[in-house]
Order: sequence, then C-alpha cells, then structure tokens
Amino acid sequence: GIQVEQSPPDLILQEGANSTLRCNFSDSVNNLQWFHQNPWGQLINLFYIPSGTKQNGRLSATTVATERYSLLYISSSQTTDSGVYFCAVPYSGGGADGLTFGKGTHLIIQP
Amino acid sequence: GAGVSQSPRYKVAKRGQDVALRCDPISGHVSLFWYQQALGQGPEFLTYFQNEAQLDKSGLPSDRFFAERPEGSVSTLKIQRTQQEDSAVYLCASSLVRGSTYEQYFGPGTRLTVT
Repeated sequence: GIQVEQSPPDLILQEGANSTLRCNFSDSVNNLQWFHQNPWGQLINLFYIPSGTKQNGRLSATTVATERYSLLYISSSQTTDSGVYFCAVPYSGGGADGLTFGKGTHLIIQP
Repeated sequence: GAGVSQSPRYKVAKRGQDVALRCDPISGHVSLFWYQQALGQGPEFLTYFQNEAQLDKSGLPSDRFFAERPEGSVSTLKIQRTQQEDSAVYLCASSLVRGSTYEQYFGPGTRLTVT
C-alpha cells in the first residue's frame, strides 16, 4: 500500500505565528484529506484536496499530485489550533478505499 | 444534519469478554469504514462496507474481529475474547460516494480499555 510521511512530527509556536505542515506520499492518489484531531479525539475534516489549492479562513492547502506531496498552511495561529494534524490518502490510491494516515504533526500553540 | 455517531463512547472489558461497538453513519452515506487508533498513532484501516456488502476486511487484525452492516445503514464491530492489545480507540467513518468525491467523515470514536 501507499506510504504517507508527515513533517515535522512536533511543532511548538507562539500565538499569531504561521506554519506549514507537509505530507509526502509514495504513489499516485486520486484523493487526499487533511484532518485536525482535537484534544477530545474528534477528527475534524479540514480539506478534501486531491489536487490544486483550497482556502478556508486562516487555513489553506495545496496538493501537487504529480510530485506526490501536499502542504497545509496555518496563518495567525490561535491556541484552539492545537492538536494533531493528519494527512490521509486511499491505501491503494483509488477513491473508495480505506485511508492510510500519516503519523501526524502534533501542533502546540502557546499563548 | 447529524454527523456520524458511535456508541458506547467508552467501554471497559475484562480480558476474554466479547464486546460490540455500534456506528450510525450519516444518513444516505453508502460507504462505511472502521479504523483502530492506538495511543499516539494515526488511525489504521480495519474494514469497509459499501451498502451491506463488506468489500474489504484486510485490516482486521485477527479472526476475533468481526463487522457487519446487515441493512446497509448501522454497523457493528464485534471483538470476541478481548485481549489487552485490543485496547484502542475504534473510529467509524462514512462517505457519500458521489461522482468522483469520496470524502470520509468520522465519528467521535469508542475508547476500548481491556483490563
């Protein structure tokens, strides 16, 4: 199956800072999702982004499918942005499969 | 509308007991997935249904794990003779499967502790 690597594994920032999280995947995919897992364990959908760029408020994401990576940008961080950010792709690359997750980036935003 | 719901939210089982975990997907969602998340790790795929058909169970860790979705809506994940290594959060997700979009939405999970 497809391998997913995320970096950095941990990130500590002050409130107001910007950050970029990276997701590399080992083969072609036709969908990719970014999630935020909050401290209560709920996985919150951030982006469904097989290719291109999307923006939602202070967050944006870009997937370059031909180069097998995706980036998640968080601007003007707030303490509520703390948590673990996961990237996930279908384990065989196809659309309807179960997802393979990276190990996540653990983000801590300090006041 | 309502999201994916799971019950119970917490379950403590003695080693050797059987447990049943329930998932109610978003209404009208065709596909349903089960994942296992160990502490400090990302979720790992267990099994997948399209309507009532179980299309992939390659991630189930042993034959003690069994899932069903008899009417194509609610699903149950059953674990027989629980072991300590089964302690984890079990997540359910559903997907509408419309056109070429396969976005999955997750429930809050069931935290299973085997003592």
